[in-house]
Amino acid sequence: RKEVEQDPGPFNVPEGATVAFNCTYSNSASQSFFWYRQDCRKEPKLLMSVYSSGNEDGRFTAQLNRASQYISLLIRDSKLSDSATYLCVVNESPQGGSEKLVFGKGTKLTVNP
Amino acid sequence: NAGVTQTPKFQVLKTGQSMTLQCAQDMNHNSMYWYRQDPGMGLRLIYYSASEGTTDKGEVPNGYNVSRLNKREFSLRLESAAPSQTSVYFCASRNRPMWTQYFGPGTRLLVL
Repeated sequence: RKEVEQDPGPFNVPEGATVAFNCTYSNSASQSFFWYRQDCRKEPKLLMSVYSSGNEDGRFTAQLNRASQYISLLIRDSKLSDSATYLCVVNESPQGGSEKLVFGKGTKLTVNP
Repeated sequence: NAGVTQTPKFQVLKTGQSMTLQCAQDMNHNSMYWYRQDPGMGLRLIYYSASEGTTDKGEVPNGYNVSRLNKREFSLRLESAAPSQTSVYFCASRNRPMWTQYFGPGTRLLVL
């Protein structure tokens, strides 16, 4: 089983739509979770961290289900500028000594006018 | 602050040639990383440096060497380039104990 798995998409949605991305992770000891955004031919950039209680940043909502080892990202009222690849990211282990983040392969989103 | 910078932006090499990819950060971060990104493979860690003076292998270290020159700079060297090393290379840094990594703009490498 891959460490971090995402639906590769692509997702094609109209402006204004709500879209949800899912991600599963295999290391039950992981404690830090993130969504990164990567525009075409650019570097990944942090979109938001994912907290146990769930968190929201404007039109973006992230949820974590530790029991199912599942993370989600919901985008409401999609904008053209949301078109990008969304990367699910998990730390390899919660303890000191592991420096590694594990990146999913990403889900590509295209928002159409 | 420039954040994380990488040079060169683009490079074409012939098989067997060597080159060094440069990375520098001005955020006083202690940890630095080198990744490669290939279509369908996602980001894969090549090497990382938890602090000045230390380096460790990541998932795909074969064919690469690194040097943590000082706190700011972390270079990646290809001693004898192979076509399989054609990729986009990203450098990143983070400030422990925070987990957020900040990426440079990438180096696109083509090995013929």
